[in-house]
Amino acid sequence: AQKITQTQPGMFVQEKEAVTLDCTYDTSDPSYGLFWYKQPSSGEMIFLIYQGSYDQQNATEGRYSLNFQKARKSANLVISASQLGDSAMYFCAMRPNNAGNMLTFGGGTRLMVKP
Amino acid sequence: KAGVTQTPRYLIKTRGQQVTLSCSPISGHRSVSWYQQTPGQGLQFLFEYFSETQRNKGNFPGRFSGRQFSNSRSEMNVSTLELGDSALYLCASSLETGTGVKLFFGSGTQLSVL
Repeated sequence: AQKITQTQPGMFVQEKEAVTLDCTYDTSDPSYGLFWYKQPSSGEMIFLIYQGSYDQQNATEGRYSLNFQKARKSANLVISASQLGDSAMYFCAMRPNNAGNMLTFGGGTRLMVKP
Repeated sequence: KAGVTQTPRYLIKTRGQQVTLSCSPISGHRSVSWYQQTPGQGLQFLFEYFSETQRNKGNFPGRFSGRQFSNSRSEMNVSTLELGDSALYLCASSLETGTGVKLFFGSGTQLSVL
């Protein structure tokens, strides 16, 4: 079984500053993928970034980057130059590569960007 | 390219009734997954369909069922609704499944059971 832990229920960040959202995971599967999603108050889950367990480099997508430390089983999301529109819930999720599209989600972190 | 479309956006039902939710995946996507989101339990996997076949099923009672049509559109059905079924139901689609495949979600259907 997989488990995802997001230890920060809520965070504040000043506009234009960088912020790191923590995610640790536990799995016995050797091959897996890690995801981050953003959920604004509208409810839609917006895909942000993906990291494969065998990817040699950390994933980046625009202002989003994933700090992947496999030995520590952590996959922290870094948002650079925060914007007011970044205020939302952020979810880390994991999927073993032999489990179809069955994601296990963490409890989420609510990020609030201050002007 | 249109995203994942879920209908209806909001639904109010009473205990004991049944409900059907619909999901149209991104054009070309063959995998559709369903998730339930509640404040208490968070996001939980319900089931996944790929090319009209159920591939995986989460730990939910048999009152929760689904199907996928030949055009990849999917429906999920909840029979004999209970108060605890009140939740946001999210649908996700992807081209295939496996390594490197990204999932894209819809805006969800907010179900309230009274």
